[in-house]
Parts: sequence; C-alpha cells; structure tokens
Amino acid sequence: ELKVEQNPLFLSMQEGKNYTIYCNYSTTSDRLYWYRQDPGKSLESLFVLLSNGAVKQEGRLMASLDTKARLSTLHITAAVHDLSATYFCAVVPGGATNKLIFGTGTLLAVQP
Amino acid sequence: DSGVTQTPKHLITATGQRVTLRCSPRSGDLSVYWYQQSLDQGLQFLIQYYNGEERAKGNILERFSAQQFPDLHSELNLSSLELGDSALYFCASSPYTSGTEAFFGQGTRLTVV
Repeated sequence: ELKVEQNPLFLSMQEGKNYTIYCNYSTTSDRLYWYRQDPGKSLESLFVLLSNGAVKQEGRLMASLDTKARLSTLHITAAVHDLSATYFCAVVPGGATNKLIFGTGTLLAVQP
Repeated sequence: DSGVTQTPKHLITATGQRVTLRCSPRSGDLSVYWYQQSLDQGLQFLIQYYNGEERAKGNILERFSAQQFPDLHSELNLSSLELGDSALYFCASSPYTSGTEAFFGQGTRLTVV
C-alpha cells in the first residue's frame, strides 16, 4: 500500500528566509502533486510533477521530483506572509485511477 | 472557481442521522472522486466513480455509500452518523479515469453533534 510522508508537519519561519518541505513516498508513482490549502478552504493545485528530475517554479515556490529516491521537495525562497497556508503533497499510485494519496500536510506560518 | 459544485456548504446534524452530500462535476468530466479531511485521519480518498460505475475504493466505511447518476452528478450518503464523522468532505472531478488532473470542489463541512 502506498504511503506518503511529509515533513516537517509544522514550519514557522521568518519573512525573507528560505526553507524546504520534503515528501517521501513508498512505491512507484505515476504523478506527484503539490497543493495549497487555506483554512477551511479547498485545495489549490500548485504543481504536477510527471517524471524524474522534473522541476517547476512559480513565484517563490519551486518543486522537484526524484523518482529514484521517491522524494519530492517544495522549496520556499524569501518567504512572505501570504505564503502562510497548509501544503500537501499527493501521489497517484498508478494503474487505472486518478485517486490521490495525500501526505500529512505541512502547516507553514510565515512571521513578519 | 474549479467548476466542481458541492452542496450544501455546511451541514449540522445529530448522531445517528443520515445525510446526503451532492457533487456536480465540471462540464464534460466523467470521473468523480470523494475525499474526507478530518483532524484524525488527514486527507483520505474514499471512492471514485467513472461514468456511473465504481472504479476505485479507499478507506470508506460501510456506513457510507456513493453513487453516480446518468447526468454524472454524484451523491455521498453517510448514515448512522457518529461524532467522528465530522469532517470536510471534498469532491473532485476529471475527464477520464486516469492520466489527467482532478479538480476539487469547495467542500461540504459536516458537523455531527
């Protein structure tokens, strides 16, 4: 059974600092997603990573995928308060389904 | 706006009751997925339907059931509700059963008292 682990669970950082969120998964996967969720709101898709070595960037966020290590990272550069949210990675286990297996989430709090 | 519509947005009900959550997928999407988000269990996949047929099943309790109708909308039925069923329930939809991204609705917040 596919398991997805995310760390850290909680991240408090100062504005202007850099940090990385890690996502490990236990078996091979078709695709990996990163989502953002604001409190009580829906899931906003940030990135989809399809292949080994894939790197995608949007603003201060950059996601990468290493399928051999079964590891994805979400790097935050020069954090700002607006990035405060919960971030989830989610993995599609493959086969004839798009179902997502989610990590535990990382609650990011960016302090002024 | 993802184009996936869930109703109601909020629902408060008593233990032992039964509720129905509704999801209208994006226009043209044949697949519907249900997820539960709770403090205890995190975000977990419940069930997937594709063009009216069950395609994948996750950690869905026997007290819960779902179906997808000919017009492609889906309903998630929760019965004999317990306090622990309080959660945010999301529906997502995608064009096909695999290989494409699914988009999430705004969710239904269920509170069991």
